[in-house]
Amino acid sequence: AQSVAQPEDQVNVAEGNPLTVKCTYSVSGNPYLFWYVQYPNRGLQFLLKYITGDNLVKGSYGFEAEFNKSQTSFHLKKPSALVSDSALYFCAVRYTGGGNKLTFGTGTQLKVEL
Amino acid sequence: NAGVTQTPKFQVLKTGQSMTLQCAQDMNHNSMYWYRQDPGMGLRLIYYSASEGTTDKGEVPNGYNVSRLNKREFSLRLESAAPSQTSVYFCASSLIPGPQETQYFGPGTRLLVL
Repeated sequence: AQSVAQPEDQVNVAEGNPLTVKCTYSVSGNPYLFWYVQYPNRGLQFLLKYITGDNLVKGSYGFEAEFNKSQTSFHLKKPSALVSDSALYFCAVRYTGGGNKLTFGTGTQLKVEL
Repeated sequence: NAGVTQTPKFQVLKTGQSMTLQCAQDMNHNSMYWYRQDPGMGLRLIYYSASEGTTDKGEVPNGYNVSRLNKREFSLRLESAAPSQTSVYFCASSLIPGPQETQYFGPGTRLLVL
């Protein structure tokens, strides 16, 4: 079985401040973790993924995520938020032996204010 | 290179009516997927096609059928629509079906069943 939790429905950040969107996961094999962003009335856009290797993954638009195996977390971060980063962010997980199922979290709405 | 395209963008149906949602990708991907997105539930996999000529059930297949018409196209059919099928439907594709592969999403189809 596999599951993903995004504990915060909404995160509010001031522009220029660092942002963190939290994600924890539970899988029974080696995890493959993904972050997607969804702008209003748009499809999901891929941001970054962790497969193996370096625990700090860099992605699109200045985002990065840190894989922490002991805490089973994969938090999304950005050093300096922009108003244009305001969107809905989804964490997702797959694992070896889990077939083709990509399990999504419920999403976190990020609001960046001036 | 349009990526993943979906038609229609929006549809209103009456209970019991049928319709087919169309999806096409021009990235020469082998695997394609259909998801539904409901508020507070993230995305859930309806059906997927690991390769041309194969289809498999996902997490919520009841009330739906799919056809992998060729390598490019993957359609989703609602034979007798129900209000519970009111949702936003996303098609996605990936190069191969492996767990580490990134899935790329279309813009979505908003379906309202009255």
